[in-house]
Amino acid sequence: EDQVTQSPEALRLQEGESSSLNCSYTVSGLRGLFWYRQDPGKGPEFLFTLYSAGEEKEKERLKATLTKKESFLHITAPKPEDSATYLCAVPQGGSEKLVFGKGTKLTVNP
Amino acid sequence: GAVVSQHPSRVICKSGTSVKIECRSLDFQATTMFWYRQFPKQSLMLMATSNEGSKATYEQGVEKDKFLINHASLTLSTLTVTSAHPEDSSFYICSAARTQETQYFGPGTRLLVL
Repeated sequence: EDQVTQSPEALRLQEGESSSLNCSYTVSGLRGLFWYRQDPGKGPEFLFTLYSAGEEKEKERLKATLTKKESFLHITAPKPEDSATYLCAVPQGGSEKLVFGKGTKLTVNP
Repeated sequence: GAVVSQHPSRVICKSGTSVKIECRSLDFQATTMFWYRQFPKQSLMLMATSNEGSKATYEQGVEKDKFLINHASLTLSTLTVTSAHPEDSSFYICSAARTQETQYFGPGTRLLVL
């Protein structure tokens, strides 16, 4: 069964304190791994798609990396506006449906 | 990135009435649209997948006669909650995608049934 597990469930950082979020997955035939950001009361906002082990993508203070078993979302010198829930998802084997992790709720304190 | 809109953003209705939610892909043609619901502090739960011009595919446990989905064009899908009851109160989110590509999400619709 395809599974996505995110850790930690919640993370509190001070402004400027860099850290990483983890997304481990088991899926038959990876066809992409997606990272989204979700603010309270809003729909998920697309951040990155990674397709193959070793791939990295960056956007402002965020960098996503991918291995054969997991992905990391690195946050460098975070700011309070980076506070959100970060979701990881993979397409379910043989379909276009996404399997989501439960998310990591990030809080960045000023 | 691609833009997906939803309307309305919030709706309050009386128990027993029907509510229609629209989902539009504004700058691309979506071959597939998805409907999710999300309860507080929980992740997204897929309700159904719809392809333009064909019947929606519902997830196990989702009543297709209660949650009517119409995907009339490559840019518009609608979800109608029929005979809504308080337990249908939730946050409904749609997403849109080209075949085998990234899903882009709408801003969500907050439904409150009194």
